[in-house]
Amino acid sequence: GQQLNQSPQSMFIQEGEDVSMNCTSSSIFNTWLWYKQDPGEGPVLLIALYKAGELTSNGRLTAQFGITRKDSFLNISASIPSDVGIYFCAGRDQGAQKLVFGQGTRLTINP
Amino acid sequence: NAGVTQTPKFRILKIGQSMTLQCTQDMNHNYMYWYRQDPGMGLKLIYYSVGAGITDKGEVPNGYNVSRSTTEDFPLRLELAAPSQTSVYFCASGSGTGYEQYFGPGTRLTVT
Repeated sequence: GQQLNQSPQSMFIQEGEDVSMNCTSSSIFNTWLWYKQDPGEGPVLLIALYKAGELTSNGRLTAQFGITRKDSFLNISASIPSDVGIYFCAGRDQGAQKLVFGQGTRLTINP
Repeated sequence: NAGVTQTPKFRILKIGQSMTLQCTQDMNHNYMYWYRQDPGMGLKLIYYSVGAGITDKGEVPNGYNVSRSTTEDFPLRLELAAPSQTSVYFCASGSGTGYEQYFGPGTRLTVT
């Protein structure tokens, strides 16, 4: 089946640093979504992308739908302690009614 | 709107017992999903439904059953609990238009 490779698996950064993470797929996707999961909670939708090349921001978060339609990137600028958590990418190919999720990137911030 | 609600939040089962995990959404979404998340791992799809009366298997359906008699409810049934089913279970719903999914808070299940 389809697989998403999300990297890095974990990140340890200082407060105030910028963060970048990405997701690549083995097939072309029509939708890319980025979620954040806090400990003990369900994933929360951050950004949704629907067109190749699309660049969308949500506050300090920016995500892009790769031109090849096989990848997506999430950037967080000027990280703060509440950014700590696990970030998941998810994708959907044409005709599918369900998402495929990446393994997650665990973000830890040192104050 | 409460969004997606799940009950119970925690449960401990003995091997061989059965239980139903409840999921309700008040957003009038047609699409509903059940996932499991093992420690340190991503989400694996168990079952999903595109509308009342319609269900389909996901990636890891063995040992589970679902039903969808109403738009709002999508219960997940474990008939003979096994230690391999120890996990956190998330229910999600979506309108199906943009394929965005909205998650409940999860049920943490331990089978011993």
